[in-house]
Amino acid sequence: SQQGEEDPQALSIQEGENATMNCSYKTSINNLQWYRQNSGRGLVHLILIRSNEREKHSGRLRVTLDTSKKSSSLLITASRAADTASYFCAAMEYGNKLVFGAGTILRVKS
Amino acid sequence: DTAVSQTPKYLVTQMGNDKSIKCEQNLGHDTMYWYKQDSKKFLKIMFSYNNKELIINETVPNRFSPKSPDKAHLNLHINSLELGDSAVYFCASSHGTGFYGYTFGSGTRLTVV
Repeated sequence: SQQGEEDPQALSIQEGENATMNCSYKTSINNLQWYRQNSGRGLVHLILIRSNEREKHSGRLRVTLDTSKKSSSLLITASRAADTASYFCAAMEYGNKLVFGAGTILRVKS
Repeated sequence: DTAVSQTPKYLVTQMGNDKSIKCEQNLGHDTMYWYKQDSKKFLKIMFSYNNKELIINETVPNRFSPKSPDKAHLNLHINSLELGDSAVYFCASSHGTGFYGYTFGSGTRLTVV
């Protein structure tokens, strides 16, 4: 089953702008994770936020989690052309099953 | 290099054939996974092994059979390949507690003709 819905499906911004991607999930979770996938490559883990956390930062990444709304957002600040990729949220269900959303395609124009 | 490595990277085969994809990790993780990514980029878990024991077995045709000879290896064997099996298959590994991110291999693009 697909856990997450991601919004928007695609996002095109200029270098230096911020990019925000949203994710919703359906069941109770242990944690929520974000991954990046460059074209033709494997997924790279970016950040993990636990169910008892509300916000987490890592470099230019900021993730929020609202368990009451079953939603999360990923903010990439001061975007670069190298940030062009697909971004996936993934919900860790109890039972240690990581279920992915549909992904957001981000294009950063230089 | 520490990594999750999959072979082969590309696999083109005819319908009805049997093929295997191999995966190895040298990260010391105790849990390994197979995911399938379809043409619309949806990622779906297929199997999960923890210390050679099958712990997740999603609704996957029994033509797909995983095999874990040790905790560093998880292979995927597919019998009687069908056109609909065409996809990118990703192997991943993690510490098995559910509190860590996964490390993914670079994928095997399977094309059934």
